[in-house]
Amino acid sequence: KQEVTQIPAALSVPEGENLVLNCSFTDSAIYNLQWFRQDPGKGLTSLLLIQSSQREQTSGRLNASLDKSSGRSTLYIAASQPGDSATYLCAVRPYGSGNTGKLIFGQGTTLQVKP
Amino acid sequence: EAGVVQSPRYKIIEKKQPVAFWCNPISGHNTLYWYLQNLGQGPELLIRYENEEAVDDSQLPKDRFSAERLKGVDSTLKIQPAELGDSAVYLCASSSNRGRAETQYFGPGTRLLVL
Repeated sequence: KQEVTQIPAALSVPEGENLVLNCSFTDSAIYNLQWFRQDPGKGLTSLLLIQSSQREQTSGRLNASLDKSSGRSTLYIAASQPGDSATYLCAVRPYGSGNTGKLIFGQGTTLQVKP
Repeated sequence: EAGVVQSPRYKIIEKKQPVAFWCNPISGHNTLYWYLQNLGQGPELLIRYENEEAVDDSQLPKDRFSAERLKGVDSTLKIQPAELGDSAVYLCASSSNRGRAETQYFGPGTRLLVL
């Protein structure tokens, strides 16, 4: 059974710091891994999607890496800003789930960036 | 383009009462998902529809939960009767079927409190 774990559960940093969020998964048989952002009272917004054949994806100040063999992914946020404060969730799409199969989520890391 | 629409946004009911949630997916998205998100946890899939067919409902507690997507567009999720443990956020998401890189687009969720 695929399990996704995110550490730490919460993180507080001063503005301007670079930071890394961690995600681990138990079964490497995945199509892809995604990082989502969730603001309080809102739904999830996809940030980055890494296919299983890829090593990393970048979007602006965000960089996500994937090491499928070790079951790990990291989300790197450069020069953090107060607007980055949110909960960040990683999710994997297991093999056999097809193009529209379910995602399996971690429990999220709640980030607070202090001005 | 409008995103995934959910209503109501908040619902407070007494235990043993029925409750229903409504979702309107992004236009043209054939796949619709209902997820349950408990406080401090990632979303967990309840049911997935391909057009009007429920293709994955293995996580849906069928003794009290039901769902429908009659015309392959809007969907309704119902709980009858509600229990205290059903207090959570119910998220609806939709996606197209163009490939495995397709992400799921989430609505803002319905926050249910059962007293």
